[in-house]
Amino acid sequence: AQSVTQLGSHVSVSEGALVLLRCNYSSSVPPYLFWYVQYPNQGLQLLLKYTSAATLVKGINGFEAEFKKSETSFHLTKPSAHMSDAAEYFCAVSVNTGTASKLTFGTGTRLQVTL
Amino acid sequence: DSGVTQTPKHLITATGQRVTLRCSPRSGDLSVYWYQQSLDQGLQFLIQYYNGEERAKGNILERFSAQQFPDLHSELNLSSLELGDSALYFCASSVGPTVSSYEQYFGPGTRLTVT
Repeated sequence: AQSVTQLGSHVSVSEGALVLLRCNYSSSVPPYLFWYVQYPNQGLQLLLKYTSAATLVKGINGFEAEFKKSETSFHLTKPSAHMSDAAEYFCAVSVNTGTASKLTFGTGTRLQVTL
Repeated sequence: DSGVTQTPKHLITATGQRVTLRCSPRSGDLSVYWYQQSLDQGLQFLIQYYNGEERAKGNILERFSAQQFPDLHSELNLSSLELGDSALYFCASSVGPTVSSYEQYFGPGTRLTVT
């Protein structure tokens, strides 16, 4: 079975600082990896996904993530935080069965951005 | 706005009762997913339908059931409700059946409170 672990339930950064949200995965087969963002009182929105093409994946809102097989990691980064980035971020893993797939989510990391 | 609609937005009911949550996918999407988000369990995949057929099952209790109708809307039925069923229930939709190839779009959720 596949799983993801997000290190740090809360991360606080200053506006303009680097954002680094950590995600490690466990999967017995090559995984598909995702980062989602959830703003207060809203559903989830896909930031980016890794599907075995390029290991450095660029997403929306200036976010990117790098797939590192040797470290079983898929950390999310953004060079310069903005106040609007304050939200909860979820890492997720999926393994396709061929005709369907399901996402297994991490426990989430709440990002706070301070002035 | 993702294009996925969920009704009702809020639902308050008593233990032992039965409720039905409704989801209308984005126009053209054939796949519907249901998720539960609670403080205890985090974000968990419940079940997936694709074009009316069940395709994948997650941690869905036997007291819960779902279906997808010919017009592609879906309903999640929760019965014999317990306090622990209080959660935010999300519906997501996508064009195809696999998350690696087809982005999931999440609805705003239905907040269920069991008293």
